[in-house]
Amino acid sequence: AQTVTQSQPEMSVQEAETVTLSCTYDTSESDYYLFWYKQPPSRQMILVIRQEAYKQQNATENRFSVNFQKAAKSFSLKISDSQLGDAAMYFCAYRSAMGNTPLVFGKGTRLSVIA
Amino acid sequence: DVKVTQSSRYLVKRTGEKVFLECVQDMDHENMFWYRQDPGLGLRLIYFSYDVKMKEKGDIPEGYSVSREKKERFSLILESASTNQTSMYLCASSLGGTYNEQFFGPGTRLTVL
Repeated sequence: AQTVTQSQPEMSVQEAETVTLSCTYDTSESDYYLFWYKQPPSRQMILVIRQEAYKQQNATENRFSVNFQKAAKSFSLKISDSQLGDAAMYFCAYRSAMGNTPLVFGKGTRLSVIA
Repeated sequence: DVKVTQSSRYLVKRTGEKVFLECVQDMDHENMFWYRQDPGLGLRLIYFSYDVKMKEKGDIPEGYSVSREKKERFSLILESASTNQTSMYLCASSLGGTYNEQFFGPGTRLTVL
């Protein structure tokens, strides 16, 4: 079974600085999808960014980008120019490309942004 | 905008009560999911459904059941609530296919006394 590990339960960053959240996963599959979700305090979880494993190019969404290292099974999230609104729980998730399988989530990283 | 709604934001129940958590989505999504979220444990999948009247067990189905009689509605049932089921419950939905994102509801914080 696939597993997702987020080794940093909590992180903090100064406003306007850059922070990187780590995620590693374990799988024997070659084709899959990876996601980062954000859960702000008392608000709904939303998708931040996603990556297809067969794509070499790292996904980017405005200030959010990923560093996808397939051989190392690593999928880190970089947040540039951090803003107060970036404070949230961030969850890394894996989904197999085989069949209609659900997401497997990591335990999350709580990000604090310091003004 | 996709909307996933859950019947209650906060719920307090007594041990042994039967509890229904309702989830409704308005985007004709095939897939629906129920997760439980606890501090330090992340999101754990309880049950999911890929079609009406279909259900599949997730990682922690014990003590729960589900019902999906209509495509837009997915209910989580605690047959006899226990204190260890005190938690945040999140519902999600998605289109079929593995690349599609899941859309989440606001969550129901359930306390069992």
